[in-house]
Amino acid sequence: DAGVTQSPTHLIKTRGQQVTLRCSPKSGHDTVSWYQQALGQGPQFIFQYYEEEERQRGNFPDRFSGHQFPNYSSELNVNALLLGDSALYLCASSSQLVGNQPQHFGDGTRLSIL
Amino acid sequence: SQQGEEDPQALSIQEGENATMNCSYKTSINNLQWYRQNSGRGLVHLILIRSNEREKHSGRLRVTLDTSKKSSSLLITASRAADTASYFCATVDTGRRALTFGSGTRLQVQP
Repeated sequence: DAGVTQSPTHLIKTRGQQVTLRCSPKSGHDTVSWYQQALGQGPQFIFQYYEEEERQRGNFPDRFSGHQFPNYSSELNVNALLLGDSALYLCASSSQLVGNQPQHFGDGTRLSIL
Repeated sequence: SQQGEEDPQALSIQEGENATMNCSYKTSINNLQWYRQNSGRGLVHLILIRSNEREKHSGRLRVTLDTSKKSSSLLITASRAADTASYFCATVDTGRRALTFGSGTRLQVQP
């Protein structure tokens, strides 16, 4: 039973560029959440997707956008990259139908902005 | 934004000792969860405690929740070198599904 998978594992970009990160949820899960984790900090919620729509959003600018596909996989897009966007980006999946459950995390994509 | 603070920020103990970490939060919650993160890796779920529960055990882990004080604690008994990691508490606010994380406690267990 495959868990949450993310790609790529590492990525280096320069300021102003755009990036797309990908996530496949755990089998049986239909909800995907994205988190940004700066070095030495706890993860911060970016947004959550369910039924191909953004359902909740954290305090992140519109440069951060996402998409969910019919097979429940998801993409995170970041435009006009800033040095401060350097972080570990984590994807987590869960089932919308089950309350009070943990989220399952992938190992993340390490994004470095030069 | 971060939900609150975790205390201590860093903790170093010897193998076999107990480790206690504390977490405070600010809002009305549905549940509180503890996660472990090894360096540079994803988060692994440890234990979930609902807002109407006061204590929960799982193996060597014991979690308490005091909603009147908006605080929780995680106790790891008989620690092992393999317990070395960062530990985060995370809350699910009432009416939401997203996790709000604390700043974490870095635990070092010396063999």
